[in-house]
Amino acid sequence: AQSVAQPEDQVNVAEGNPLTVKCTYSVSGNPYLFWYVQYPNRGLQFLLKYITGDNLVKGSYGFEAEFNKSQTSFHLKKPSALVSDSALYFCAVREGPSNYQLIWGAGTKLIIKP
Amino acid sequence: DGGITQSPKYLFRKEGQNVTLSCEQNLNHDAMYWYRQDPGQGLRLIYYSQIVNDFQKGDIAEGYSVSREKKESFPLTVTSAQKNPTAFYLCASSIAAGNTEAFFGQGTRLTVV
Repeated sequence: AQSVAQPEDQVNVAEGNPLTVKCTYSVSGNPYLFWYVQYPNRGLQFLLKYITGDNLVKGSYGFEAEFNKSQTSFHLKKPSALVSDSALYFCAVREGPSNYQLIWGAGTKLIIKP
Repeated sequence: DGGITQSPKYLFRKEGQNVTLSCEQNLNHDAMYWYRQDPGQGLRLIYYSQIVNDFQKGDIAEGYSVSREKKESFPLTVTSAQKNPTAFYLCASSIAAGNTEAFFGQGTRLTVV
Protein backbone atom coordinates (compact mmCIF):
# COMPACT_ATOMS: atom_id res chain seq x y z
CA ALA A 1 0.00 0.00 0.00
CA GLN A 2 1.11 3.52 -0.68
CA SER A 3 2.22 5.46 2.38
CA VAL A 4 4.28 8.38 3.58
CA ALA A 5 6.01 8.49 6.95
CA GLN A 6 7.27 11.51 8.80
CA PRO A 7 8.92 9.82 11.78
CA GLU A 8 9.24 12.93 13.94
CA ASP A 9 6.18 14.68 15.33
CA GLN A 10 8.34 17.66 16.29
CA VAL A 11 11.80 18.94 15.48
CA ASN A 12 13.53 21.59 17.58
CA VAL A 13 16.40 23.59 16.12
CA ALA A 14 18.29 26.66 17.29
CA GLU A 15 18.18 29.67 14.99
CA GLY A 16 21.13 29.68 12.61
CA ASN A 17 21.65 25.93 12.79
CA PRO A 18 20.90 23.58 9.89
CA LEU A 19 17.58 21.79 9.94
CA THR A 20 16.32 18.50 8.55
CA VAL A 21 12.74 17.25 8.44
CA LYS A 22 12.54 13.59 7.49
CA CYS A 23 10.21 11.87 5.05
CA THR A 24 10.15 8.31 3.76
CA TYR A 25 7.66 6.88 1.31
CA SER A 26 6.35 3.64 -0.09
CA VAL A 27 4.85 3.51 -3.58
CA SER A 28 4.96 0.84 -6.23
CA GLY A 29 5.75 3.07 -9.18
CA ASN A 30 7.84 6.17 -9.77
CA PRO A 31 7.14 8.72 -7.07
CA TYR A 32 6.40 12.38 -7.51
CA LEU A 33 7.34 13.96 -4.16
CA PHE A 34 6.25 17.24 -2.63
CA TRP A 35 6.85 19.33 0.46
CA TYR A 36 4.34 21.82 1.82
CA VAL A 37 4.35 24.18 4.80
CA GLN A 38 1.38 25.21 6.91
CA TYR A 39 1.23 28.18 9.27
CA PRO A 40 -1.39 28.18 12.06
CA ASN A 41 -5.00 28.24 10.83
CA ARG A 42 -3.89 28.65 7.24
CA GLY A 43 -3.87 26.56 4.10
CA LEU A 44 -0.82 24.75 2.84
CA GLN A 45 1.86 26.43 0.77
CA PHE A 46 3.92 24.54 -1.78
CA LEU A 47 7.68 24.50 -1.07
CA LEU A 48 9.27 22.19 -3.62
CA LYS A 49 8.88 19.00 -5.62
CA TYR A 50 10.90 16.18 -7.10
CA ILE A 51 9.74 14.79 -10.42
CA THR A 52 12.87 13.57 -12.16
CA GLY A 53 16.47 14.54 -12.73
CA ASP A 54 18.84 15.98 -10.13
CA ASN A 55 18.27 14.38 -6.75
CA LEU A 56 18.75 17.70 -4.96
CA VAL A 57 15.88 20.09 -5.54
CA LYS A 58 15.70 23.68 -4.37
CA GLY A 59 12.52 25.44 -3.38
CA SER A 60 11.05 28.47 -1.71
CA TYR A 61 12.46 30.30 1.33
CA GLY A 62 15.90 28.65 1.02
CA PHE A 63 14.63 25.11 1.50
CA GLU A 64 15.96 22.14 -0.41
CA ALA A 65 15.28 18.41 -0.40
CA GLU A 66 17.24 15.37 -1.42
CA PHE A 67 15.64 12.44 -3.16
CA ASN A 68 17.23 9.11 -2.25
CA LYS A 69 15.74 6.26 -4.25
CA SER A 70 17.56 3.45 -2.45
CA GLN A 71 16.42 4.69 0.94
CA THR A 72 13.01 5.83 -0.39
CA SER A 73 13.49 9.14 1.36
CA PHE A 74 12.93 12.80 0.56
CA HIS A 75 14.25 14.79 3.51
CA LEU A 76 13.71 18.54 3.69
CA LYS A 77 16.72 20.65 4.61
CA LYS A 78 17.82 24.20 5.16
CA PRO A 79 21.40 25.29 5.92
CA SER A 80 20.49 28.01 8.43
CA ALA A 81 17.15 28.05 10.25
CA LEU A 82 15.12 31.19 10.91
CA VAL A 83 12.57 31.68 13.69
CA SER A 84 10.03 32.40 10.94
CA ASP A 85 10.52 28.83 9.62
CA SER A 86 8.56 27.57 12.61
CA ALA A 87 5.50 25.85 11.16
CA LEU A 88 3.98 22.48 10.30
CA TYR A 89 5.61 20.68 7.38
CA PHE A 90 3.98 18.01 5.26
CA CYS A 91 5.51 15.55 2.85
CA ALA A 92 3.31 14.08 0.10
CA VAL A 93 3.73 11.59 -2.73
CA ARG A 94 1.86 10.92 -5.92
CA GLU A 95 2.38 7.68 -7.77
CA GLY A 96 3.00 8.31 -11.44
CA PRO A 97 1.89 10.87 -14.01
CA SER A 98 -1.78 9.95 -14.27
CA ASN A 99 -2.61 9.66 -10.60
CA TYR A 100 -4.57 12.53 -9.08
CA GLN A 101 -4.36 11.47 -5.47
CA LEU A 102 -1.69 12.72 -3.12
CA ILE A 103 -0.71 10.55 -0.17
CA TRP A 104 0.18 12.69 2.83
CA GLY A 105 2.46 12.27 5.82
CA ALA A 106 1.11 13.20 9.26
CA GLY A 107 3.18 16.34 9.43
CA THR A 108 6.17 17.50 11.46
CA LYS A 109 6.05 20.54 13.67
CA LEU A 110 9.24 22.53 13.30
CA ILE A 111 10.18 24.84 16.15
CA ILE A 112 13.08 27.24 15.71
CA LYS A 113 14.31 28.76 18.95
CA PRO A 114 16.08 32.15 18.99
CA ASP B 1 -5.35 38.38 -8.14
CA GLY B 2 -5.33 34.64 -8.85
CA GLY B 3 -5.98 32.07 -6.20
CA ILE B 4 -8.34 29.74 -4.44
CA THR B 5 -10.90 31.11 -2.00
CA GLN B 6 -12.71 29.26 0.72
CA SER B 7 -15.60 30.68 2.67
CA PRO B 8 -16.49 31.11 5.40
CA LYS B 9 -13.32 30.93 7.48
CA TYR B 10 -15.23 29.79 10.56
CA LEU B 11 -18.53 27.95 10.57
CA PHE B 12 -20.71 26.70 13.39
CA ARG B 13 -23.39 24.10 12.87
CA LYS B 14 -25.96 22.50 15.07
CA GLU B 15 -26.11 18.74 15.18
CA GLY B 16 -28.45 17.33 12.56
CA GLN B 17 -28.01 20.20 10.11
CA ASN B 18 -26.41 20.09 6.70
CA VAL B 19 -23.89 22.80 5.88
CA THR B 20 -22.14 23.77 2.65
CA LEU B 21 -18.55 24.99 2.40
CA SER B 22 -17.63 27.12 -0.57
CA CYS B 23 -14.51 26.77 -2.70
CA GLU B 24 -13.81 28.96 -5.75
CA GLN B 25 -10.69 29.16 -7.90
CA ASN B 26 -9.73 31.51 -10.72
CA LEU B 27 -6.58 29.63 -11.71
CA ASN B 28 -8.28 27.80 -14.57
CA HIS B 29 -7.36 24.49 -12.97
CA ASP B 30 -9.12 21.32 -14.05
CA ALA B 31 -8.67 19.35 -10.85
CA MET B 32 -10.11 20.26 -7.46
CA TYR B 33 -9.93 18.50 -4.10
CA TRP B 34 -11.44 18.55 -0.64
CA TYR B 35 -9.39 17.45 2.36
CA ARG B 36 -10.13 17.10 6.01
CA GLN B 37 -7.43 17.89 8.58
CA ASP B 38 -7.59 16.73 12.19
CA PRO B 39 -4.95 17.47 14.85
CA GLY B 40 -1.94 15.18 14.64
CA GLN B 41 -3.02 13.66 11.34
CA GLY B 42 -2.15 14.27 7.76
CA LEU B 43 -4.66 15.43 5.20
CA ARG B 44 -7.35 12.94 4.31
CA LEU B 45 -9.03 13.14 0.93
CA ILE B 46 -12.82 13.49 0.95
CA TYR B 47 -13.62 14.01 -2.74
CA TYR B 48 -11.82 15.10 -5.86
CA SER B 49 -12.84 16.21 -9.30
CA GLN B 50 -10.75 15.95 -12.44
CA ILE B 51 -13.14 17.81 -14.70
CA VAL B 52 -16.48 19.59 -14.69
CA ASN B 53 -19.50 17.37 -13.97
CA ASP B 54 -17.31 14.55 -12.71
CA PHE B 55 -16.03 13.70 -9.23
CA GLN B 56 -14.75 10.69 -7.31
CA LYS B 57 -14.87 9.63 -3.70
CA GLY B 58 -11.73 9.84 -1.67
CA ASP B 59 -10.79 7.91 1.44
CA ILE B 60 -13.42 9.40 3.77
CA ALA B 61 -16.40 10.36 1.58
CA GLU B 62 -19.13 9.02 3.87
CA GLY B 63 -21.33 11.81 5.19
CA TYR B 64 -20.15 14.31 2.56
CA SER B 65 -21.36 15.33 -0.88
CA VAL B 66 -19.99 17.57 -3.64
CA SER B 67 -20.91 19.02 -6.99
CA ARG B 68 -18.84 20.35 -9.90
CA GLU B 69 -21.21 22.26 -12.14
CA LYS B 70 -18.63 24.92 -13.00
CA LYS B 71 -14.90 24.65 -13.51
CA GLU B 72 -14.16 27.29 -10.90
CA SER B 73 -16.44 26.00 -8.14
CA PHE B 74 -16.40 22.84 -6.01
CA PRO B 75 -18.70 23.17 -2.97
CA LEU B 76 -18.67 20.59 -0.21
CA THR B 77 -21.77 19.71 1.80
CA VAL B 78 -21.30 18.18 5.21
CA THR B 79 -24.45 16.23 5.89
CA SER B 80 -26.03 15.17 9.16
CA ALA B 81 -24.79 11.65 8.37
CA GLN B 82 -21.20 12.70 9.08
CA LYS B 83 -20.64 11.43 12.61
CA ASN B 84 -17.78 13.68 13.61
CA PRO B 85 -17.78 16.75 11.37
CA THR B 86 -15.78 19.13 13.57
CA ALA B 87 -12.53 19.65 11.67
CA PHE B 88 -10.49 21.96 9.47
CA TYR B 89 -11.47 21.60 5.82
CA LEU B 90 -9.08 22.45 3.01
CA CYS B 91 -9.88 22.88 -0.65
CA ALA B 92 -7.16 22.61 -3.29
CA SER B 93 -6.79 22.75 -7.05
CA SER B 94 -4.19 21.71 -9.59
CA ILE B 95 -3.70 21.93 -13.34
CA ALA B 96 -3.82 18.17 -13.74
CA ALA B 97 -2.49 15.01 -12.23
CA GLY B 98 1.11 13.85 -12.11
CA ASN B 99 3.90 16.34 -11.63
CA THR B 100 1.85 19.42 -10.86
CA GLU B 101 1.58 20.80 -7.38
CA ALA B 102 -1.71 21.63 -5.71
CA PHE B 103 -2.68 25.10 -4.56
CA PHE B 104 -4.64 25.41 -1.34
CA GLY B 105 -7.27 27.74 0.03
CA GLN B 106 -7.03 29.16 3.53
CA GLY B 107 -9.37 26.59 4.98
CA THR B 108 -12.71 26.52 6.80
CA ARG B 109 -12.89 25.52 10.42
CA LEU B 110 -16.21 23.79 11.07
CA THR B 111 -17.45 23.33 14.61
CA VAL B 112 -20.56 21.40 15.53
CA VAL B 113 -22.31 22.83 18.58
